Amino acid sequence: DAGVIQSPRHEVTEMGQEVTLRCKPISGHDYLFWYRQTMMRGLELLIYFNNNVPIDDSGMPEDRFSAKMPNASFSTLKIQPSEPRDSAVYFCASSFQGRGNGYTFGSGTRLTVV
Amino acid sequence: SQELEQSPQSLIVQEGKNLTINCTSSKTLYGLYWYKQKYGEGLIFLMMLQKGGEEKSHEKITAKLDEKKQQSSLHITASQPSHAGIYLCGADGTGNAGKSTFGDGTTLTVKP
Repeated sequence: DAGVIQSPRHEVTEMGQEVTLRCKPISGHDYLFWYRQTMMRGLELLIYFNNNVPIDDSGMPEDRFSAKMPNASFSTLKIQPSEPRDSAVYFCASSFQGRGNGYTFGSGTRLTVV
Repeated sequence: SQELEQSPQSLIVQEGKNLTINCTSSKTLYGLYWYKQKYGEGLIFLMMLQKGGEEKSHEKITAKLDEKKQQSSLHITASQPSHAGIYLCGADGTGNAGKSTFGDGTTLTVKP
């Protein structure tokens, strides 16, 4: 398996633009997580899905953020409109049966909003 | 919510030296994970501890969960430059399978 695949690796966009981050989890994994990492706040859970259904989105900063998982092999995180404070590294991770198996993380998308 | 505090925040050691990183939880730990991250990359799962007193090893890295299940330590023996990176502990939230919180990480530098 190629692991968790995220795209793009880097994204630079202007404030106000829409940004879409993509994630392909490991085949067979039933949990998918979106995290954001910054120097100031560390690693923060934004939202997670179980069997494609959003379970907890309490970490989503505000309505500008939305996430979808239309099928077991694909998820998106969208920011509209983007703001400079959204600049961070966004990680997608997947796991099998959530607890106890550890997460497999993607390489992340480094987002810069100017 | 569960909070994890790691210490030290950063650590610089000479190659060949031993070192310990600690992770303390504000609540009882039901599943404690250790990850390693290199700059610009994702987290790599190292090991998971669940039972009080449990100890696991992977190559020269050993992690232990204390009996009271509120603290874990990660010990590296005879450190090498390849051990350099950021070590993060993560824990399962109680009653919420699949939702882990993470510590702020410990940055390890190993001088050759």
